[in-house]
Amino acid sequence: EVQLVESGGGLVEPGGSLRLSCAASGFIFSSYAMNWVRQAPGKGLQWVSAVSGGGDTTYYADSVKGRFTISRDNSKNTLHLQMNGLRAEDTAIYYCAKDPSGSYPAAFDIRGQGTKVTVSS
Amino acid sequence: QSALTQPASVSGSPGQSITISCTGTSSDVVNYNLVSWYQHHPAKAPKLLIYEATKRPSGVSSRFSGSRSGNTASLTISGLQTEDEADYSCCSYAGSNTWVFGGGTKVTVL
Repeated sequence: EVQLVESGGGLVEPGGSLRLSCAASGFIFSSYAMNWVRQAPGKGLQWVSAVSGGGDTTYYADSVKGRFTISRDNSKNTLHLQMNGLRAEDTAIYYCAKDPSGSYPAAFDIRGQGTKVTVSS
Repeated sequence: QSALTQPASVSGSPGQSITISCTGTSSDVVNYNLVSWYQHHPAKAPKLLIYEATKRPSGVSSRFSGSRSGNTASLTISGLQTEDEADYSCCSYAGSNTWVFGGGTKVTVL
Protein backbone atom coordinates (compact mmCIF):
# COMPACT_ATOMS: atom_id res chain seq x y z
CA GLU A 1 0.00 0.00 0.00
CA VAL A 2 1.32 3.42 -0.95
CA GLN A 3 2.01 5.58 2.08
CA LEU A 4 3.27 9.16 2.20
CA VAL A 5 3.92 10.76 5.58
CA GLU A 6 4.65 14.47 5.66
CA SER A 7 6.40 16.28 8.50
CA GLY A 8 8.24 19.48 9.32
CA GLY A 9 5.44 22.03 9.28
CA GLY A 10 4.91 24.64 11.95
CA LEU A 11 4.54 28.31 12.78
CA VAL A 12 7.21 30.60 11.34
CA GLU A 13 7.58 34.35 11.05
CA PRO A 14 7.56 36.08 7.65
CA GLY A 15 10.97 35.77 6.06
CA GLY A 16 11.73 32.58 7.97
CA SER A 17 12.54 29.09 6.77
CA LEU A 18 11.17 25.58 7.14
CA ARG A 19 12.19 22.20 5.74
CA LEU A 20 9.41 19.77 4.97
CA SER A 21 9.96 16.05 4.59
CA CYS A 22 7.91 13.21 3.18
CA ALA A 23 8.62 9.57 3.95
CA ALA A 24 7.42 7.25 1.19
CA SER A 25 6.71 3.52 1.25
CA GLY A 26 4.79 0.90 -0.66
CA PHE A 27 6.20 1.63 -4.12
CA ILE A 28 9.53 1.91 -5.93
CA PHE A 29 10.24 5.50 -4.92
CA SER A 30 12.99 6.19 -7.44
CA SER A 31 10.71 5.24 -10.35
CA TYR A 32 8.27 8.06 -9.76
CA ALA A 33 8.38 11.81 -10.02
CA MET A 34 7.16 13.46 -6.84
CA ASN A 35 5.32 16.70 -6.20
CA TRP A 36 4.53 19.11 -3.42
CA VAL A 37 1.06 20.64 -3.56
CA ARG A 38 -0.61 22.89 -1.02
CA GLN A 39 -4.06 23.93 0.06
CA ALA A 40 -4.54 27.30 1.73
CA PRO A 41 -7.40 27.74 4.20
CA GLY A 42 -10.69 27.77 2.31
CA LYS A 43 -8.94 27.49 -1.05
CA GLY A 44 -8.34 24.81 -3.66
CA LEU A 45 -5.23 22.83 -4.40
CA GLN A 46 -2.17 24.61 -5.74
CA TRP A 47 0.85 22.86 -7.28
CA VAL A 48 4.15 23.98 -5.76
CA SER A 49 7.01 21.91 -7.13
CA ALA A 50 8.03 18.60 -8.68
CA VAL A 51 11.18 16.52 -9.03
CA SER A 52 11.97 13.71 -11.44
CA GLY A 53 12.46 10.16 -10.22
CA GLY A 54 16.22 10.44 -10.42
CA GLY A 55 16.22 13.83 -8.74
CA ASP A 56 18.08 15.53 -11.56
CA THR A 57 15.25 17.68 -12.88
CA THR A 58 13.16 20.04 -10.79
CA TYR A 59 10.13 22.19 -11.54
CA TYR A 60 8.66 25.13 -9.64
CA ALA A 61 5.56 27.29 -9.67
CA ASP A 62 6.39 30.92 -10.36
CA SER A 63 5.09 31.88 -6.92
CA VAL A 64 7.84 29.91 -5.14
CA LYS A 65 10.69 29.96 -7.67
CA GLY A 66 13.89 31.22 -6.07
CA ARG A 67 12.55 30.69 -2.55
CA PHE A 68 11.76 26.96 -2.38
CA THR A 69 14.01 24.01 -3.24
CA ILE A 70 12.76 20.49 -3.81
CA SER A 71 15.04 17.50 -3.39
CA ARG A 72 14.88 13.77 -2.81
CA ASP A 73 17.00 11.05 -1.26
CA ASN A 74 16.20 7.83 -3.09
CA SER A 75 18.39 5.82 -0.71
CA LYS A 76 16.04 6.82 2.11
CA ASN A 77 12.79 7.08 0.12
CA THR A 78 12.40 10.65 1.28
CA LEU A 79 11.26 13.85 -0.40
CA HIS A 80 12.11 17.31 0.92
CA LEU A 81 11.02 20.89 0.41
CA GLN A 82 13.30 23.63 1.72
CA MET A 83 11.26 26.80 2.08
CA ASN A 84 13.05 30.11 2.54
CA GLY A 85 11.75 33.66 2.55
CA LEU A 86 8.34 32.52 3.69
CA ARG A 87 5.38 34.84 3.19
CA ALA A 88 1.90 34.97 4.68
CA GLU A 89 0.50 33.67 1.40
CA ASP A 90 2.53 30.47 1.83
CA THR A 91 0.29 29.52 4.74
CA ALA A 92 -1.32 26.20 3.80
CA ILE A 93 -1.38 22.49 4.36
CA TYR A 94 1.42 21.00 2.29
CA TYR A 95 1.02 17.54 0.77
CA CYS A 96 3.57 15.43 -0.99
CA ALA A 97 2.09 13.62 -3.96
CA LYS A 98 3.21 10.77 -6.14
CA ASP A 99 2.99 11.26 -9.86
CA PRO A 100 0.74 8.34 -10.88
CA SER A 101 2.21 7.89 -14.33
CA GLY A 102 5.82 7.93 -13.18
CA SER A 103 7.00 11.04 -14.96
CA TYR A 104 6.01 14.67 -14.46
CA PRO A 105 3.62 16.13 -15.43
CA ALA A 106 0.62 13.93 -14.79
CA ALA A 107 -1.35 14.44 -11.58
CA PHE A 108 -1.13 14.44 -7.80
CA ASP A 109 -1.72 11.19 -5.94
CA ILE A 110 -1.97 12.35 -2.32
CA ARG A 111 -1.81 9.56 0.25
CA GLY A 112 -0.93 11.41 3.47
CA GLN A 113 -2.55 13.91 5.80
CA GLY A 114 -0.20 16.76 4.98
CA THR A 115 1.77 19.09 7.21
CA LYS A 116 0.51 22.52 8.21
CA VAL A 117 2.61 25.61 7.59
CA THR A 118 1.58 28.90 9.15
CA VAL A 119 3.47 32.08 8.34
CA SER A 120 2.61 34.81 10.80
CA SER A 121 4.24 37.28 13.15
CA GLN B 1 -4.50 31.27 -16.89
CA SER B 2 -8.20 31.19 -16.10
CA ALA B 3 -9.64 28.61 -13.81
CA LEU B 4 -11.50 25.66 -15.28
CA THR B 5 -15.30 25.95 -15.16
CA GLN B 6 -17.34 23.46 -13.17
CA PRO B 7 -21.01 23.53 -12.12
CA ALA B 8 -21.44 24.63 -8.53
CA SER B 9 -23.55 21.65 -7.61
CA VAL B 10 -24.86 18.35 -8.92
CA SER B 11 -27.25 15.99 -7.16
CA GLY B 12 -28.61 12.52 -7.63
CA SER B 13 -30.37 9.69 -5.85
CA PRO B 14 -28.60 6.57 -4.59
CA GLY B 15 -27.92 4.18 -7.45
CA GLN B 16 -28.16 6.83 -10.14
CA SER B 17 -25.33 8.12 -12.31
CA ILE B 18 -24.23 11.72 -12.36
CA THR B 19 -21.75 13.59 -14.54
CA ILE B 20 -19.66 16.62 -13.60
CA SER B 21 -18.27 18.74 -16.41
CA CYS B 22 -15.03 20.69 -16.46
CA THR B 23 -14.61 23.23 -19.24
CA GLY B 24 -11.27 24.65 -20.22
CA THR B 25 -9.56 26.25 -23.20
CA SER B 26 -7.08 25.52 -25.93
CA SER B 27 -4.35 26.40 -23.44
CA ASP B 28 -5.13 23.52 -21.15
CA VAL B 29 -7.82 20.84 -21.60
CA VAL B 30 -7.70 20.90 -25.41
CA ASN B 31 -3.91 20.85 -25.65
CA TYR B 32 -3.05 18.40 -22.91
CA ASN B 33 -4.50 15.01 -22.06
CA LEU B 34 -3.53 15.74 -18.46
CA VAL B 35 -6.87 16.29 -16.77
CA SER B 36 -7.26 14.92 -13.26
CA TRP B 37 -10.13 14.76 -10.81
CA TYR B 38 -10.05 14.97 -7.01
CA GLN B 39 -12.54 14.16 -4.28
CA HIS B 40 -12.61 16.43 -1.24
CA HIS B 41 -14.18 15.35 2.02
CA PRO B 42 -14.14 17.86 4.90
CA ALA B 43 -11.03 17.68 7.06
CA LYS B 44 -9.52 14.95 4.87
CA ALA B 45 -6.76 15.01 2.30
CA PRO B 46 -7.85 15.33 -1.34
CA LYS B 47 -8.09 12.00 -3.13
CA LEU B 48 -7.05 11.48 -6.74
CA LEU B 49 -9.85 9.74 -8.67
CA ILE B 50 -8.84 10.10 -12.32
CA TYR B 51 -5.63 11.12 -14.09
CA GLU B 52 -4.73 11.61 -17.75
CA ALA B 53 -8.46 12.17 -18.33
CA THR B 54 -9.51 8.52 -18.16
CA LYS B 55 -7.13 6.51 -15.94
CA ARG B 56 -7.94 5.37 -12.40
CA PRO B 57 -5.21 4.99 -9.76
CA SER B 58 -5.06 1.68 -7.98
CA GLY B 59 -7.67 1.42 -5.25
CA VAL B 60 -10.16 3.84 -6.78
CA SER B 61 -13.61 2.38 -7.36
CA SER B 62 -14.59 1.56 -10.94
CA ARG B 63 -17.76 3.57 -10.32
CA PHE B 64 -15.64 6.64 -11.09
CA SER B 65 -14.83 7.20 -14.75
CA GLY B 66 -13.46 10.08 -16.78
CA SER B 67 -13.64 11.31 -20.34
CA ARG B 68 -12.46 14.25 -22.41
CA SER B 69 -13.75 15.77 -25.63
CA GLY B 70 -12.60 19.05 -27.06
CA ASN B 71 -12.41 21.65 -24.31
CA THR B 72 -14.50 19.68 -21.82
CA ALA B 73 -13.58 16.88 -19.47
CA SER B 74 -16.15 14.95 -17.48
CA LEU B 75 -16.29 12.83 -14.37
CA THR B 76 -19.07 10.26 -14.11
CA ILE B 77 -20.04 8.61 -10.85
CA SER B 78 -22.10 5.47 -11.42
CA GLY B 79 -24.21 3.75 -8.79
CA LEU B 80 -24.19 6.84 -6.58
CA GLN B 81 -23.64 6.08 -2.88
CA THR B 82 -24.07 8.22 0.22
CA GLU B 83 -20.32 8.27 0.79
CA ASP B 84 -19.90 9.96 -2.60
CA GLU B 85 -21.33 13.15 -1.13
CA ALA B 86 -18.33 15.48 -1.29
CA ASP B 87 -16.74 18.24 -3.33
CA TYR B 88 -15.06 17.33 -6.62
CA SER B 89 -12.49 19.39 -8.46
CA CYS B 90 -10.79 19.07 -11.81
CA CYS B 91 -7.30 20.08 -12.80
CA SER B 92 -5.42 20.41 -16.08
CA TYR B 93 -1.82 20.98 -17.01
CA ALA B 94 -1.47 24.22 -18.99
CA GLY B 95 2.15 24.04 -20.05
CA SER B 96 5.29 25.73 -18.74
CA ASN B 97 4.85 24.28 -15.24
CA THR B 98 1.41 25.80 -14.90
CA TRP B 99 -1.62 23.98 -13.58
CA VAL B 100 -5.20 25.24 -13.58
CA PHE B 101 -7.94 24.02 -11.29
CA GLY B 102 -11.71 24.14 -11.37
CA GLY B 103 -13.70 25.88 -8.67
CA GLY B 104 -15.18 22.64 -7.41
CA THR B 105 -18.58 20.94 -7.61
CA LYS B 106 -20.60 19.94 -4.58
CA VAL B 107 -22.25 16.56 -5.05
CA THR B 108 -25.36 15.90 -2.99
CA VAL B 109 -26.88 12.46 -2.64
CA LEU B 110 -30.62 12.94 -2.25
